[in-house]
Amino acid sequence: GAVVSQHPSRVICKSGTSVKIECRSLDFQATTMFWYRQFPKQSLMLMATSNEGSKATYEQGVEKDKFLINHASLTLSTLTVTSAHPEDSSFYICSAGDSGGASDTQYFGPGTRLTVL
Amino acid sequence: GQQLNQSPQSMFIQEGEDVSMNCTSSSIFNTWLWYKQEPGEGPVLLIALYKAGELTSNGRLTAQFGITRKDSFLNISASIPSDVGIYFCAGGGLGNLIFGKGTKLSVKP
Repeated sequence: GAVVSQHPSRVICKSGTSVKIECRSLDFQATTMFWYRQFPKQSLMLMATSNEGSKATYEQGVEKDKFLINHASLTLSTLTVTSAHPEDSSFYICSAGDSGGASDTQYFGPGTRLTVL
Repeated sequence: GQQLNQSPQSMFIQEGEDVSMNCTSSSIFNTWLWYKQEPGEGPVLLIALYKAGELTSNGRLTAQFGITRKDSFLNISASIPSDVGIYFCAGGGLGNLIFGKGTKLSVKP
């Protein structure tokens, strides 16, 4: 149980294009989903907290107009990187909190490797 | 803000050896979680701890939630090559998680 999927697993795009990443909780409902960014050899950096049916809460320094988050249902959240630039290249990971379980436990997706040329 | 100190940063051990890593904080947490991450993958939850003093095992892994709620350790017994990866601790209690910087484990066959 508690499986989270992400799609795509890997994407390469040209500078200036937008990229959408999907995060799905497959066997549980997630009131809250989280988006992280991870640079090589570093820990996870929380970008934003996504709550179903409401606006996402962004961490300090994360541009909400650049990283658009939509959490339209209890099983799906999307992150859109708009007008991507090479510095946006990174490993993006989502996680989902199990609304039926302990609120702080997060289950992670497999990650999306974004490369912007 | 809240911070976690995770140690050691890295470990190089022989197959069969036991491993111990820990996390400490100046803040109190209501939840301690331990994750393992392999290259190119997302973190996988190993053990979740919800109560101070709680000691929980998952196969060869054992973790404890410190009685002060400011620390936790993870032990791996009789390590095997597939234990290689980066282990992260995470403290929770305010709706989100605070992560340690990770312990990179290398196991020599």
